[in-house]
Amino acid sequence: AQSVTQLGSHVSVSEGALVLLRCNYSSSVPPYLFWYVQYPNQGLQLLLKYTTGATLVKGINGFEAEFKKSETSFHLTKPSAHMSDAAEYFCAVTGGGADGLTFGKGTHLIIQP
Amino acid sequence: EAGVAQSPRYKIIEKRQSVAFWCNPISGHATLYWYQQILGQGPKLLIQFQNNGVVDDSQLPKDRFSAERLKGVDSTLKIQPAKLEDSAVYLCASSLALAVIYNEQFFGPGTRLTVL
Repeated sequence: AQSVTQLGSHVSVSEGALVLLRCNYSSSVPPYLFWYVQYPNQGLQLLLKYTTGATLVKGINGFEAEFKKSETSFHLTKPSAHMSDAAEYFCAVTGGGADGLTFGKGTHLIIQP
Repeated sequence: EAGVAQSPRYKIIEKRQSVAFWCNPISGHATLYWYQQILGQGPKLLIQFQNNGVVDDSQLPKDRFSAERLKGVDSTLKIQPAKLEDSAVYLCASSLALAVIYNEQFFGPGTRLTVL
């Protein structure tokens, strides 16, 4: 069984500042980890994923995340926030290649001008 | 390549009424998922199909929810009768196949259900 905890339901940063969204997971098997972004009234878009190999993964729109097994974490970062980054972000985990995803509750990212 | 299609996009019904949602996955995708996303929460898997067979329906409230995937392509999710707590966005996703390697799930735009 898997579970995901996202710390902070709302995160506010200034435009140009570092974005850090936190995700901790629990999994009884080696996990596959994901970050999705959801804009208002739209579906989920995959930002990045960790499956195997390199623990630092880069995604779209300048985002990256690092898989830390010892800390059971997969935090999402972006060096410089842009107004267009304002959205809901979800961390997700699965233990199997085609199993359903278990999502966290989401973090609403607010960008201050 | 066309994405995952869902209809309707919005639906408003009275409690105790019935409702059905339709999903057309990406062509060639053998695995299809239905998720329920309640406002303020992350999506929750309701049911997973591999072709036209059910792989996982452990979180589907079977007393009122049903789903089918005839011919292993399109899928329909039905709620009968609906309750107020069923108000949510229903997301459909598809992926290539059941395998030991990771298969990316592609999500549709969702159907927003409001139960009054």
